[in-house]
Amino acid sequence: EAGVAQSPRYKIIEKRQSVAFWCNPISGHATLYWYQQILGQGPKLLIQFQNNGVVDDSQLPKDRFSAERLKGVDSTLKIQPAKLEDSAVYLCASSLWGATYEQYFGPGTRLTVT
Amino acid sequence: GENVEQHPSTLSVQEGDSAVIKCTYSDSASNYFPWYKQELGKRPQLIIDIRSNVGEKKDQRIAVTLNKTAKHFSLHITETQPEDSAVYFCAAGFNKFYFGSGTKLNVKP
Repeated sequence: EAGVAQSPRYKIIEKRQSVAFWCNPISGHATLYWYQQILGQGPKLLIQFQNNGVVDDSQLPKDRFSAERLKGVDSTLKIQPAKLEDSAVYLCASSLWGATYEQYFGPGTRLTVT
Repeated sequence: GENVEQHPSTLSVQEGDSAVIKCTYSDSASNYFPWYKQELGKRPQLIIDIRSNVGEKKDQRIAVTLNKTAKHFSLHITETQPEDSAVYFCAAGFNKFYFGSGTKLNVKP
C-alpha cells in the first residue's frame, strides 16, 4: 500500500512570497489533515477535511493560509504572503474515516522563510 | 475545543529502566487516544492506541492506560533501550484531533 505523498520536501522562500504544498493521501482515506510543526513542538492542526468538506479550520490563519481538497482526494495548502514565523515542517496525514482512526503521516515539507 | 496537556517535556532514563509519560485531555467526547513516536527529522509514527471502551492495552514493552473519569491516559515503556530515544506525542480525538506538546525521551546506555 502506498503511503501519503507530499511535495516538495524542502522549500526556501523570502518573506512576503507565496508557496504551495501538495498532498496525496492513501487511496480510500476520507479524512485528510494538514499540520504545522514548529521545531521542538507538537503538530498543530491547521485544517481537517472529510472528503472535500472542511471539518475544522479553527487554527488556520485565514488571512494568509488557504487549503482545498478538490474531488476529495489530493489537497493543496497555500501561504500568501509568507512570514518568518511560518518556518516549520508542514505535515499532511490521512485516516480512513474521521479522528478515531489511525493517522498516517507523509514525510512533510520543510519550509524556511528568510 | 480540546486541550491536551502532556508531561514531562523531557525524560531521561537509564537503559533497562521504565519510562512513563502522562497526558490529560479536556473534551469528554474524545474516544480515541493514540501515541506517536517521532525520531529526529522523521514523520510521526503510531506506536499504540486505545479507545474509550478499554482501560489498558499492551504491546510487548509498551502499554497505555486510560482513565476516562479523570480524563487522563499514560504511556508506559518497560525495559527501555537506546533506540526508544525519540519524541513521543499523545493525542486525543473524536470528531476532531489534537496533539500534546511532546516528551523528549533520552535512554542512556
